[in-house]
Amino acid sequence: AQRVTQPEKLLSVFKGAPVELKCNYSYSGSPELFWYVQYSRQRLQLLLRHISRESIKGFTADLNKGETSFHLKKPFAQEEDSAMYYCALMGYQKVTFGTGTKLQVIP
Amino acid sequence: NAGVTQTPKFQVLKTGQSMTLQCAQDMNHEYMSWYRQDPGMGLRLIHYSVGAGITDQGEVPNGYNVSRSTTEDFPLRLLSAAPSQTSVYFCASRPTQGIGNTIYFGEGSWLTVV
Repeated sequence: AQRVTQPEKLLSVFKGAPVELKCNYSYSGSPELFWYVQYSRQRLQLLLRHISRESIKGFTADLNKGETSFHLKKPFAQEEDSAMYYCALMGYQKVTFGTGTKLQVIP
Repeated sequence: NAGVTQTPKFQVLKTGQSMTLQCAQDMNHEYMSWYRQDPGMGLRLIHYSVGAGITDQGEVPNGYNVSRSTTEDFPLRLLSAAPSQTSVYFCASRPTQGIGNTIYFGEGSWLTVV
């Protein structure tokens, strides 16, 4: 079975503070992991994927197979980062999402 | 390029009514899926399809039917709506070949069952 766990429902940080959104996964094969962002009442948009090791809007995420984690990080939070963030795992056929973390950046 | 298109965007149903949420994609993606999004529960997979004529159940399939007669379309049917089906529904698609393929989402359908 494949599972994605995002332990925090809400994360509040001050503007300029570092951000870390946690994601742990369970999967028996080689996982493909993604982060998606959803701004208020909009569709989900791809933020980044582990395979390309990119940095988008200052966010990065490293796949740690030993800890089965794919945490999302940003050194300095901006107000426009306030949104829902979903970690996703692409298995053999299914795509599983975590329950999401709402990031609230306080001015 | 329209991407993934869902209709309707908003719908109010009475308990027991039936309806179909439409989803179409123009990217020739093999994989299509339906999710429902509820507060505190994230996105839960209802049904998915890896190609025309092939469908399978996700985490929460009860009360929903799907079919995939063409690559482009993947409608979701509610046979007898219940208040528990009040939710936001997202259709998504992606290619199945290759790695690191992005999932593309529709804009969502807000459904209220009274």
